[in-house]
Amino acid sequence: GQQLNQSPQSMFIQEGEDVSMNCTSSSIFNTWLWYKQDPGEGPVLLIALYKAGELTSNGRLTAQFGITRKDSFLNISASIPSDVGIYFCAGQGITGNTPLVFGKGTRLSVIA
Amino acid sequence: KAGVTQTPRYLIKTRGQQVTLSCSPISGHRSVSWYQQTPGQGLQFLFEYFSETQRNKGNFPGRFSGRQFSNSRSEMNVSTLELGDSALYLCASSLGAVLGTEAFFGQGTRLTVV
Repeated sequence: GQQLNQSPQSMFIQEGEDVSMNCTSSSIFNTWLWYKQDPGEGPVLLIALYKAGELTSNGRLTAQFGITRKDSFLNISASIPSDVGIYFCAGQGITGNTPLVFGKGTRLSVIA
Repeated sequence: KAGVTQTPRYLIKTRGQQVTLSCSPISGHRSVSWYQQTPGQGLQFLFEYFSETQRNKGNFPGRFSGRQFSNSRSEMNVSTLELGDSALYLCASSLGAVLGTEAFFGQGTRLTVV
């Protein structure tokens, strides 16, 4: 099925550094969602975006809905060890009642 | 408000057997979606139920089926298990007014087929 291109696949950063990851799609989306998944657990919703150009923050996390409606990015500022995990983007197409499409995830490792 | 509950958390089955997984959505949510997660394939959509009706189906064989009850609880069944069915099965619930919007996931059921 359709998938989003999420990059990078993995990243190793020092504690305190900022992190940026993004997702792109060949088709337009109406909704972008960002999730974080810890090992052995289900994904947890971090941020939801509904409008092109929308910029939303949740603590140290900031996400934006691209103006072309085909991309989104997530920034994490001043990373801490508990930021470790896999971050997924998900999008919903413009056709009504279509399932969420997920990226393959960005695995984040934070070195203390 | 309780989150999405999946049972059981872990399951080991033998090839050829069948398995039923359960999902209780967040109270008030009418949509339940099921996903299969494997390291190589990421999150793959299985199907979505809304008000007891299957609204969407992914590209999985007919061995994978599901249903939803009047209280919005959902079950998925996999028959004639294969080794490749080993995965984390996740269910997500949402209000359902628009499919997929703000989906909240359960902790998943880790299925191992031996």
